[in-house]
Amino acid sequence: KAGVTQTPRYLIKTRGQQVTLSCSPISGHRSVSWYQQTPGQGLQFLFEYFSETQRNKGNFPGRFSGRQFSNSRSEMNVSTLELGDSALYLCASSLSGGMSYEQYFGPGTRLTVT
Amino acid sequence: GQNIDQPTEMTATEGAIVQINCTYQTSGFNGLFWYQQHAGEAPTFLSYNVLDGLEEKGRFSSFLSRSKGYSYLLLKELQMKDSASYLCAVNNQGGKLIFGQGTELSVKP
Repeated sequence: KAGVTQTPRYLIKTRGQQVTLSCSPISGHRSVSWYQQTPGQGLQFLFEYFSETQRNKGNFPGRFSGRQFSNSRSEMNVSTLELGDSALYLCASSLSGGMSYEQYFGPGTRLTVT
Repeated sequence: GQNIDQPTEMTATEGAIVQINCTYQTSGFNGLFWYQQHAGEAPTFLSYNVLDGLEEKGRFSSFLSRSKGYSYLLLKELQMKDSASYLCAVNNQGGKLIFGQGTELSVKP
C-alpha cells in the first residue's frame, strides 16, 4: 500500500507570493490533517478535512486555507507569504479521523520564504 | 488552554532503558499518541493509549494515567538507531492532534 505523498518536496517563494501544496492520502483514508512544523513552535495543527469538509481548524490566520477533493486528495494554500511561514508542512491521513485512528504522515513540503 | 510538556532532550547509553515523560492539560481528551521523528523525516507512529495502563509493543511501551494527565514512553535495549525526537500528542477533537515540543533522545555507545 502506498504511503502518504506530498508535492512538491521543496519550495522557495518570495514574500507576498502565494503557494499551493498537495497531499495524496493512503488509499481508503478519508481524513487529511495538515500541520506546520518549525524549530521554535514544534508541530502545530492547521486544519483537518473529512469527506470534502473542513472538520477542525487550528489557530492560524485566514491566509492559510485548504480543500479536499472527492478522491480525498487535499491541497493547502497560503496567500501573501511572510518570512515566518518558512516551515515544514506535513499532512497526515487516517481512516476516518476519529478519535482512535492513528495518523500516517507524509514526508512533508519544505517551504522557504525569502 | 492546551498544554503538553515533555523534556527537551535526554541522553542514554546503548543497551540501557530510558523513560520519556509527558504531562498534558487539554480541553478534551480522546487518546494519547507517541510518534518518533528522525531528523529530516516524517513522524512515524509508535503507540496509542486511551485507557489507563501500560501498552507494550516490542522494545517500546507506553503508559497512561488520565487522572494525572500523565504518560510515559519506555524504550528498552536502546539501539543507536533510536536516536530521534519523540513526540507526545493528544487527540482532543476528531482528527486534531496537539503535539508537545518533542524530546530529542541521543543514544551513545
